[in-house]
Amino acid sequence: GENVEQHPSTLSVQEGDSAVIKCTYSDSASNYFPWYKQELGKGPQLIIDIRSNVGEKKDQRIAVTLNKTAKHFSLHITETQPEDSAVYFCAASGGTSYGKLTFGQGTILTVHP
Amino acid sequence: KAGVTQTPRYLIKTRGQQVTLSCSPISGHRSVSWYQQTPGQGLQFLFEYFSETQRNKGNFPGRFSGRQFSNSRSEMNVSTLELGDSALYLCASSSDTGTRNSPLHFGNGTRLTVT
Repeated sequence: GENVEQHPSTLSVQEGDSAVIKCTYSDSASNYFPWYKQELGKGPQLIIDIRSNVGEKKDQRIAVTLNKTAKHFSLHITETQPEDSAVYFCAASGGTSYGKLTFGQGTILTVHP
Repeated sequence: KAGVTQTPRYLIKTRGQQVTLSCSPISGHRSVSWYQQTPGQGLQFLFEYFSETQRNKGNFPGRFSGRQFSNSRSEMNVSTLELGDSALYLCASSSDTGTRNSPLHFGNGTRLTVT
C-alpha cells in the first residue's frame, strides 16, 4: 500500500520567515495530494491541495510543489505569522480511492513572534 | 454552510463495553469517511460510506463497524473496547463527484478514552 514520509517532525521559525515541509510517497498511482492544518482541539483543516497534472499551486502565502518523477511534494509558507503555528499533515491518494487518504506523520510548526 | 458535526465530543468507556459515534456531514455531501488519530499511529483510515454502502475499508479489526443513513448521516461502532482504542475519531465528508478525488472536510472529532 501507499506510504507517506513527512519531514521535519518539528519546525521552529521566526515570524516573517518562510517554512518548508517535505513529503515523499511510494505509490506511483497516487494522483491527489492535500495538505491539512490541525490546531489544538480541532480536526484537520484542508489548506491547499494539488493534483498530479499540476506542478505547482499557490494560494496567497501558501504554495505546494509536486515532483512526480521523484515522488516528492512540498508545502511552502511565506511570511509566517504566529497564527500559522499548528500541526501540518501531508497526504496522498490514488484514483478513485473512496475517502482513503494516506497521511504523513505530521510536522509541528511553531512561529515565534 | 455548516461544517461536519460529530457527537459526542468526549466519551469515557470501560474495557469490554461498546460505543457508537455519530457524524453529520456537510449538507449535500454524500460521502462520509472515518479516521482514527493516535499519537503513535497518526491518522489512519477506517472506512468510507456513500449512499448507505461501504465502498472502502481500512485495515482495522471487525470490532470496528459503521453505517450510513439515507440522509447521509453516519455512525461508527466499536465493540468490545480495548485500551488501545483510546483515540480521536474523526469523520470527514466530501461531495464526491465520482470522477476524481474530492477534498475531504473533517469534523472536530470525538475523543474516546477507554479505561
